[in-house]
Amino acid sequence: GDSVTQMEGPVTLSEEAFLTINCTYTATGYPSLFWYVQYPGEGLQLLLKATKADDKGSNKGFEATYRKETTSFHLEKGSVQVSDSAVYFCALRPSGGYNKLIFGAGTRLAVHP
Amino acid sequence: NAGVTQTPKFQVLKTGQSMTLQCAQDMNHEYMSWYRQDPGMGLRLIHYSVGAGITDQGEVPNGYNVSRSTTEDFPLRLLSAAPSQTSVYFCASRGLAGPEQFFGPGTRLTVL
Repeated sequence: GDSVTQMEGPVTLSEEAFLTINCTYTATGYPSLFWYVQYPGEGLQLLLKATKADDKGSNKGFEATYRKETTSFHLEKGSVQVSDSAVYFCALRPSGGYNKLIFGAGTRLAVHP
Repeated sequence: NAGVTQTPKFQVLKTGQSMTLQCAQDMNHEYMSWYRQDPGMGLRLIHYSVGAGITDQGEVPNGYNVSRSTTEDFPLRLLSAAPSQTSVYFCASRGLAGPEQFFGPGTRLTVL
């Protein structure tokens, strides 16, 4: 079945460091891909999305490119801030899966000054 | 718009008790879902609905019931709580315009 695998955390970085969180997926057809962020004590917020191959999603300095050839959707940011400390979830919506999201386990990011 | 709201924020139950987790959205979204979040496992789909009067099972439906009598509300019922149902529960909704789901703030449930 469809699945999402993302790198285990926690990831600990200094402010202004470069961030990469790896995400790979297994799915048939053409899923939509998402990154969600969960700040402490809050629900999930959509960070960015991509709905077809080679699409690049971007928001708040974060980027991710839908790579069908490597089945990947890695999250990157050039310079992280303390306020980026959160848990990041990679997710996919299967082809035809109107209301289903399949999530990775989440990666906790801690950024210190 | 309030978006997706959930009540209560926290709940402690004893094994065997029943309760209902409330979820409401004011965005006129057709699709609504319930997920549970457990450490190291991401979120898993419990039940979902594609419109009033229509519900279906997700990945982990056992021990939970849902109904959808209105577009706005999608309650989740635990008929006989078990310790394995200790988790954080999230409700989400999605409109027809795009693929993204909007999540509520969550309910943290502990079953003793």
